Amino acid sequence: NAGVTQTPKFRILKIGQSMTLQCTQDMNHNYMYWYRQDPGMGLKLIYYSVGAGITDKGEVPNGYNVSRSTTEDFPLRLELAAPSQTSVYFCASSYPRSVGDQETQYFGPGTRLLVL
Amino acid sequence: AQSVTQPDIHITVSEGASLELRCNYSYGATPYLFWYVQSPGQGLQLLLKYFSGDTLVQGIKGFEAEFKRSQSSFNLRKPSVHWSDAAEYFCAVGAGGATNKLIFGTGTLLAVQP
Repeated sequence: NAGVTQTPKFRILKIGQSMTLQCTQDMNHNYMYWYRQDPGMGLKLIYYSVGAGITDKGEVPNGYNVSRSTTEDFPLRLELAAPSQTSVYFCASSYPRSVGDQETQYFGPGTRLLVL
Repeated sequence: AQSVTQPDIHITVSEGASLELRCNYSYGATPYLFWYVQSPGQGLQLLLKYFSGDTLVQGIKGFEAEFKRSQSSFNLRKPSVHWSDAAEYFCAVGAGGATNKLIFGTGTLLAVQP
């Protein structure tokens, strides 16, 4: 049971390039999340998904896109990389037993992205 | 709106000393509260959580936290710190609901002196 895995671990992008950050979980969790972590700012929610085919914006969605075609995968797409997107990106998943429940989120190891 | 405040950005303690990390939250109803730890270069690991019941919660690695509704606080404690506890600690509040989202504090960086 690998939990939440993320690839790549580290990437350098040039301004204007695009890339996809991959996230996969093998716990059959229906909820998945993308966060970015900037120094002194904690974690900010970018996008989340409550199930395959359903996604919604979080606090800081600008410059990002997501899709959720399967329960396991939740890729995050950067279309035109900007220096402001230099950050550490974390994917997480959870499994609320019913609507209204709160359940623990499990985090991946993160992807460190540098945009130059 | 929900929010979490961790007033201490950086704390240094001596190995063997006791530790208390502060967390205050703002939330209208009974909150779901979490403490996560992040070691350098790693992801976030759950230390403990409070959903309901006993207000003193035990977690992994010898940590505990106490929920105090009257003070809107959920402080993390450890009686004797080990060098391996050096890490960043995040408090978070969950709103439940349809999204299960978490709101994180800005974190407290713990350094441990020998």
